[in-house]
Amino acid sequence: DTEVTQTPKHLVMGMTNKKSLKCEQHMGHRAMYWYKQKAKKPPELMFVYSYEKLSINESVPSRFSPECPNSSLLNLHLHALQPEDSALYLCASSERSGGTETQYFGPGTRLLVL
Amino acid sequence: AQSVTQLGSHVSVSEGALVLLRCNYSSSVPPYLFWYVQYPNQGLQLLLKYTTGATLVKGINGFEAEFKKSETSFHLTKPSAHMSDAAEYFCAVSFNDMRFGAGTRLTVKP
Repeated sequence: DTEVTQTPKHLVMGMTNKKSLKCEQHMGHRAMYWYKQKAKKPPELMFVYSYEKLSINESVPSRFSPECPNSSLLNLHLHALQPEDSALYLCASSERSGGTETQYFGPGTRLLVL
Repeated sequence: AQSVTQLGSHVSVSEGALVLLRCNYSSSVPPYLFWYVQYPNQGLQLLLKYTTGATLVKGINGFEAEFKKSETSFHLTKPSAHMSDAAEYFCAVSFNDMRFGAGTRLTVKP
């Protein structure tokens, strides 16, 4: 089973709201990723967790706050977002980070910030 | 730094025709290369990957890619296009993290 699940599928939020995106995998993978994808663009890496520790933060604004409560779960907490943050947010996992590792992607959460 | 360049943001073929999606890489070390497909409103699905060994890599859905070091290329092909192949295709290179090309949108005409 190579399934990564993400909830919710769609999210509409105002600029003053606080919301969270959730990602889950049960493949025993020890690396998990958040990507942001704008329309007609490739995914852009935001964060990488390796063995539940944040290993890469691609200079993402502090209004995005990742959390890895355990090896199966990854959250992305959202606060005071801007309309330009509207995008598809993709979660991925791999056995380990880097190199030859295949990343398995979830279906994404489509976020609209009003 | 490692990167990939996809030649052609949009490719259109007729059903049954050959599909050729181009990807060139730039890497100072042996690269690990991937092709992913993204259907509308979905996440990315792995088609195939090259790490080491055989230079012709077979993937899912009848796709294959050939690693050519002399040309720094990893083009994706399928002998006969099907309507269901219409999607966005991303080439990617991995080292410490994965970097994607700009993507190629494949349209299949009936």
